[in-house]
Amino acid sequence: NAGVTQTPKFQVLKTGQSMTLQCAQDMNHNSMYWYRQDPGMGLRLIYYSASEGTTDKGEVPNGYNVSRLNKREFSLRLESAAPSQTSVYFCASSGTSDSNQPQHFGDGTRLSIL
Amino acid sequence: QKEVEQNSGPLSVPEGAIASLNCTYSDRGSQSFFWYRQYSGKSPELIMFIYSNGDKEDGRFTAQLNKASQYVSLLIRDSQPSDSATYLCAVKPPNDKIIFGKGTRLHILP
Repeated sequence: NAGVTQTPKFQVLKTGQSMTLQCAQDMNHNSMYWYRQDPGMGLRLIYYSASEGTTDKGEVPNGYNVSRLNKREFSLRLESAAPSQTSVYFCASSGTSDSNQPQHFGDGTRLSIL
Repeated sequence: QKEVEQNSGPLSVPEGAIASLNCTYSDRGSQSFFWYRQYSGKSPELIMFIYSNGDKEDGRFTAQLNKASQYVSLLIRDSQPSDSATYLCAVKPPNDKIIFGKGTRLHILP
């Protein structure tokens, strides 16, 4: 009954450090997404993967990279963290990106960059 | 640019009353509409979806869709303090990904 699992739940980094946020889903979904959520800004799409083997930029991709490791897993990497990347990061998945199916969200990762 | 607009609120509603949340969207060809509830510090949780014009009821929740007016709403009957949250409207345009509104904060007054 896990759905979408994100790790870690909390992280504090120093400016310039790198880290990878992990996401895995057990719903056999084809599409996966990474969002960031900041106060007053709503959910902003960073990157998405319509299917295994494909990734595409969203609204705010700068400073991030992604890897669709397999159908289940989609990771988000910050190569050189900046204070502007302090945010809550949500991973989501859906059956496909082109269908009428909703997205299901993980619990989020709260990331602070000092 | 495709947009989904919501009043940010806060919308304050007395306990037991009907809360009405509204959302407008720009892409007339959109086919699927979703409502998510997000408690403070938590992730968005899907509570309703609607595809056809008219009303769809699920317990205390009713989603209403008017494609001609490009308008979707969520009614919460017999509002409870536990309904206090931010409600996100999401719209699926054709040949594009789901677009989320910025959400409306709902506060149920005991």
